[in-house]
Amino acid sequence: DGGITQSPKYLFRKEGQNVTLSCEQNLNHDAMYWYRQDPGQGLRLIYYSQIVNDFQKGDIAEGYSVSREKKESFPLTVTSAQKNPTAFYLCASIGSSYNEQFFGPGTRLTVL
Amino acid sequence: RKEVEQDPGPFNVPEGATVAFNCTYSNSASQSFFWYRQDCRKEPKLLMSVYSSGNEDGRFTAQLNRASQYISLLIRDSKLSDSATYLCVVSLYSSASKIIFGSGTRLSIRP
Repeated sequence: DGGITQSPKYLFRKEGQNVTLSCEQNLNHDAMYWYRQDPGQGLRLIYYSQIVNDFQKGDIAEGYSVSREKKESFPLTVTSAQKNPTAFYLCASIGSSYNEQFFGPGTRLTVL
Repeated sequence: RKEVEQDPGPFNVPEGATVAFNCTYSNSASQSFFWYRQDCRKEPKLLMSVYSSGNEDGRFTAQLNRASQYISLLIRDSKLSDSATYLCVVSLYSSASKIIFGSGTRLSIRP
C-alpha cells in the first residue's frame, strides 16, 4: 500500500532536548511538507521540500530543521530553540500536479 | 486579513439537516481549491476538490465563486458520522509552498 508513515505516534521529551520526527513516503512524490497544528487551529507550514537536497522555510521555521537526503524521507528536528514545541506535527506529500496532499497520521509531541 | 478564512463554528445541527459553510480567500490568482475533513486527533483527508463548474459527490456539493472569492460546502441529509472539522484549502499551481489551510469549521451532528 502506498502512503506516508510518521513515527512515533506519541513522543515525550524533556525541555532543552532536540528531537527528530520521522516521515517516510512511498508515493514517489517530489514535494514534501511539515506542518504544525495547535489545538483548535489550522495547519501552519514549517518547512517544505520540492526536490531532494533542497528545502525551503515555511511560515514558522524558527527552532526547526530538516534534511532531504532521499526522495522518500523528510525528517524534522525540533531543536531546543523552539520555544513552544508541544503540538501535533503532520507530514504531507504531493504529486507533480500539485493537487491532493496526502498526510501521514501525525506525531503528537509533548515537551515536559 | 487572513489568506483563507473560515467560520470556526461550531455548527451544531440535527441529523438529517442540511448544513452549509463558506470559505473566503484573498489571492485572486489562486488556482486549486479543496475541502478536507479532519477527525479529532487525526490527519486531514481529502473530502473533495472544488471545480469552477461546481461538483457533487453523494450528499456533498462544493461550489466555487471566483468573482466573490469564496468556496462553499453543502452537506445534505447529515449523518452522525459527518461530525468533524472541515478545512478549506487553497493553492497556486505555480508554487509548492503556496498551499494555504483555513483554520477549519467544526461541525457536530446531534441525534
